[in-house]
Amino acid sequence: KAGVTQTPRYLIKTRGQQVTLSCSPISGHRSVSWYQQTPGQGLQFLFEYFSETQRNKGNFPGRFSGRQFSNSRSEMNVSTLELGDSALYLCASSLDRPHYGYTFGSGTRLTVV
Amino acid sequence: AQKVTQAQTEISVVEKEDVTLDCVYETRDTTYYLFWYKQPPSGELVFLIRRNSFDEQNEISGRYSWNFQKSTSSFNFTITASQVVDSAVYFCALSGEHTGGFKTIFGAGTRLFVKA
Repeated sequence: KAGVTQTPRYLIKTRGQQVTLSCSPISGHRSVSWYQQTPGQGLQFLFEYFSETQRNKGNFPGRFSGRQFSNSRSEMNVSTLELGDSALYLCASSLDRPHYGYTFGSGTRLTVV
Repeated sequence: AQKVTQAQTEISVVEKEDVTLDCVYETRDTTYYLFWYKQPPSGELVFLIRRNSFDEQNEISGRYSWNFQKSTSSFNFTITASQVVDSAVYFCALSGEHTGGFKTIFGAGTRLFVKA
């Protein structure tokens, strides 16, 4: 079966712009979580969506937002980009709760210049 | 506090050596789940194993084995007869009610270099 698909794979944006990243989970998985990975901070939890509802949120500013659609696909948006937002953004899907274990996508590498 | 500590930042071994990656966790939960993930250079994290807090049996899968000890809050990962393809960053992770319910927290990762 198809894995978790994230698009685009690479993105270069300018400070102040906004960006939207997309994630399609494994078929049948209803939970989608987003993580930011940087060399300095490691893997940081952004938020988790289940059945179009945000169930949990990490400690990121309001510039980071997300949503989930009825087909479980999810998007995350970052507005007013800062240099520090440069990171690998990983999407992870799970059947229901994350303690079932995640299947990760390949990530979107965002570079802010 | 809910926390996962991987004290080893980088480990370098020569092929065919055995290597153990350490993981120590802190949690207030009685029910929790521990994981190991592998992140090869391609970037995608790959699920390796999941253990719940009530199952302390050690597990072996091919060259991989895991030792879970609640008494020391450790969940260590051993690769036997390492191979170059094992080179990756390995993450230990914890999920439970007090990690925030619906998220998993990760350790900082251990980068493993296996030299031919």
